[in-house]
Formats: sequence, structure tokens, C-alpha cells
Amino acid sequence: EVQLVETGGGLIQPGGSLRLSCAASGFSVSSNYMSWVRQAPGKGLEWVSIIYSGGSTYYGDSVKGRFSISRDNSKNTLYLQMNSLRAEDTAVYYCARHGSYIWYFDLWGRGTLVTVSS
Amino acid sequence: EIVLTQSPGTLSLSPGERATLSCRASQSVSSSYLAWYQQKPGQAPRLLIYGASSRATGIPDRFSGSGSGTDFTLTISRLEPEDFAVYYCQQYGSSPLYSFGQGTKLEIK
Repeated sequence: EVQLVETGGGLIQPGGSLRLSCAASGFSVSSNYMSWVRQAPGKGLEWVSIIYSGGSTYYGDSVKGRFSISRDNSKNTLYLQMNSLRAEDTAVYYCARHGSYIWYFDLWGRGTLVTVSS
Repeated sequence: EIVLTQSPGTLSLSPGERATLSCRASQSVSSSYLAWYQQKPGQAPRLLIYGASSRATGIPDRFSGSGSGTDFTLTISRLEPEDFAVYYCQQYGSSPLYSFGQGTKLEIK
């Protein structure tokens, strides 16, 4: 079955770090463009970061310099390293696969909740 | 930065009715770069439409997308009970690479 499963969310204090994982099955993470998208409680969707199949990475302005996207091809897993966390980073974090073209997301995981609070 | 504005914020309709959701961009968007998603409570978004008018795999033909330039529309021809959800438009472009509209909640009247 083709799916994405995120793990690693939880409660973390401001200034702390957390690493999210997204395990893919049924397809290869390394052969696809992959992104992280987040959704604050009761709010809309915000794109966070993308990793190209070739390895290039890009970030939204709100997380640039604090978050880092990576992948482990042997584990077929996508990661999001989040440092210097702030209250406004509280959200459900989804990993998403880009479709045949980079401009849309055709497969989403169920998400993992990150809560930044003291 | 391209900002997407969706209207209305909430749409109240009955099953069997036709729904028309709007997405307006602050600058012209290539039709190829406009997508629509459906999100139900507690679930991840699901791709409905890409390239402004192409239905994603498995999406019923009662869903259709149209538009160009700065004005795009998602139409649901006859609402089924499972269609009541929040709908987002999304564009691909320059900084940020991806942006979403704020969503339209489609609720049962």
C-alpha cells in the first residue's frame, strides 16, 4: 500500500528541538519531491520545506535557519529537524509527496502534532 | 508573494445542490500551478484537482475545476453527504514556493 506515516511529535518547551520522521511505503522517497506542510490548530495550511529528488532543499521564511529537511534512502524515510522551536510552531505536521509535477501534493500522511509550550 | 483569497469563508448548502467555490490570486497564476484539496475533520488534505481542471485519481466527476489568470473555481455539481468539508486552493510559484488559500468550509444547511 502506498502511504506516509509521520511520527515524532509531542510536547516540547520553547527553544527546544524535535525531529519528525515520515516513513514511506509503496514508493521511493529518493525518487520523488517530498515536502512538509503544517497546520496550526483551527488554521489553514502552511508549506514548510521541500527536498528535491536531486537533494536540493528549500524552506518557508518562517522556518528558514531553524528547520532542516533530510531523508534516509536506505530507510525510505523523510525527516524534519526542528530547532529553536517557538510557540507559533505548534501545529500538525504533514509530510506530503509531490505528484508527477512538483507543483502539487498528491499523497499526504495523517500528520503528527507538535506542541511548543512551557 | 502571491496571496490566495478564497470565498466564501463558509458555504451552507443541502445535499443535491450545486456548490461553487472561488479562489482569487493577488497576481496571475499559471493554470498548471493551481490545485484544490479537500480536508475533513481530523484527516489529512486530499488532492482533488491539479492544473486548475484535471481531476486527481479516484475523484468523482461531480468535482470540476476551472479558471485562469487570477480567478479559479471549484464546482461540485451535486453535493453528496461526504462532500461537506473544508476546501483549499494552492498555488506553486516564487517565494513562498507554495501557498494556500485560507479555506472555504462547506457545511450542511
